[in-house]
Amino acid sequence: RKEVEQDPGPFNVPEGATVAFNCTYSNSASQSFFWYRQDCRKEPKLLMSVYSSGNEDGRFTAQLNRASQYISLLIRDSKLSDSATYLCVVNTPGTYKYIFGTGTRLKVLA
Amino acid sequence: EAQVTQNPRYLITVTGKKLTVTCSQNMNHEYMSWYRQDPGLGLRQIYYSMNVEVTDKGDVPEGYKVSRKEKRNFPLILESPSPNQTSLYFCASSLEGFGTSSYNEQFFGPGTRLTVL
Repeated sequence: RKEVEQDPGPFNVPEGATVAFNCTYSNSASQSFFWYRQDCRKEPKLLMSVYSSGNEDGRFTAQLNRASQYISLLIRDSKLSDSATYLCVVNTPGTYKYIFGTGTRLKVLA
Repeated sequence: EAQVTQNPRYLITVTGKKLTVTCSQNMNHEYMSWYRQDPGLGLRQIYYSMNVEVTDKGDVPEGYKVSRKEKRNFPLILESPSPNQTSLYFCASSLEGFGTSSYNEQFFGPGTRLTVL
């Protein structure tokens, strides 16, 4: 089993739709979780950190479910500009290593 | 402007010719890291550095070297590049490299596209 797993997609959704991605992680001791956005072969950009209580930033909401070992990203009112690959990142506990998922591709259609 | 810079952005070289990819950050970050990104495999960590003179291997360190003589710089060295090191490389930095705070949010450089013939 991979340490961090994501559905590669693509998720094709119409503008204005709500879409959700999940990311599962295998190490129950993991402590830090992030969502990054990556446009085609450009550098990943931090979208949001994921906190235990969940957090929201505008149209984006991130949740952590420790019992089931997954994090989620919800995007409301999708825009064409949201089309990108969304990367889940987990900090390996007890080390300084980061493990990236392979990403979920989102296409928002006009 | 707070940023991570990498040079060169594009490089085509031949097998066995030593090369260095530079990485510099101006945010006074303690932690720096190198990743490679390959289709279907995502980003994989090559090496990281927790502070000056402190480095450690990531998941794919074979064929690479790093050094951290100054806080702002973290060069990636390929002593004898081979075609399987053809990839897209990213440098990243964060205030720290562990813990639950936002201090370990990483910021990435623009990437270096390396082709080894």
